[in-house]
Amino acid sequence: QVQIQQWGAGLLKPSETLSLTCAVYGGSFSDYHWSWIRQPPGKGLEWIGQINYIGNTTYNPSLQSRVTISVDTSKNQFSLSLGSVTAADTAVYYCARERGIESYYFDYWGQGTLVTVSS
Amino acid sequence: QSALAQPASVSGSPGQSITISCTGTSSDVGGYNSVSWYQQHPGKAPKLMIYDVSNRPSGVSNRFSGSKSGNTASLTISGLQAEDEADYYCSSYTINNTRVFGGGTKLTVL
Repeated sequence: QVQIQQWGAGLLKPSETLSLTCAVYGGSFSDYHWSWIRQPPGKGLEWIGQINYIGNTTYNPSLQSRVTISVDTSKNQFSLSLGSVTAADTAVYYCARERGIESYYFDYWGQGTLVTVSS
Repeated sequence: QSALAQPASVSGSPGQSITISCTGTSSDVGGYNSVSWYQQHPGKAPKLMIYDVSNRPSGVSNRFSGSKSGNTASLTISGLQAEDEADYYCSSYTINNTRVFGGGTKLTVL
């Protein structure tokens, strides 16, 4: 059974850097891609980006200049860094596993972390 | 990249069937068989309901089905039940190797 546990700071000030991490328990870490998705309060889902186990990344063009996703295969963990945050970055942030090989869907999700940006 | 287009809301009575559409372009929905659907109850993480246009993960009711025609994918829920009331999102792989979600559809079971 696959479980994904996520953690990180929930309250930031404008211009600070958001940092979240997900740990994966169970299943194969190398056979999948690992994604970040966010959801502003009362709004829809937005794909942020993904990484595979060798560190290849793809980002949403609208966030690319501020986003870094990294992976630590020794711990089966992956992380999100989003710089220069503003109130518009306030959202629930989810991490998720993606099949990622000729088939793209998110089958396991973390519990979500509410990140609030406020001065 | 623009979000895929979904109706903001749909409704149906218990036992009825409803269909939610998800319209994109030939660069996403129309170009790949990597359309997936997610159910989200309030305060919960999304749950995968359909992948690769029409495949159901283990444990998902066969009342949920998916299809695609051209640039539009569809999710059909038959035999509506109260527990189906939730938000539904579609997602697609894109020509730029990114992923895009629909704006979401709120399903109300009357």
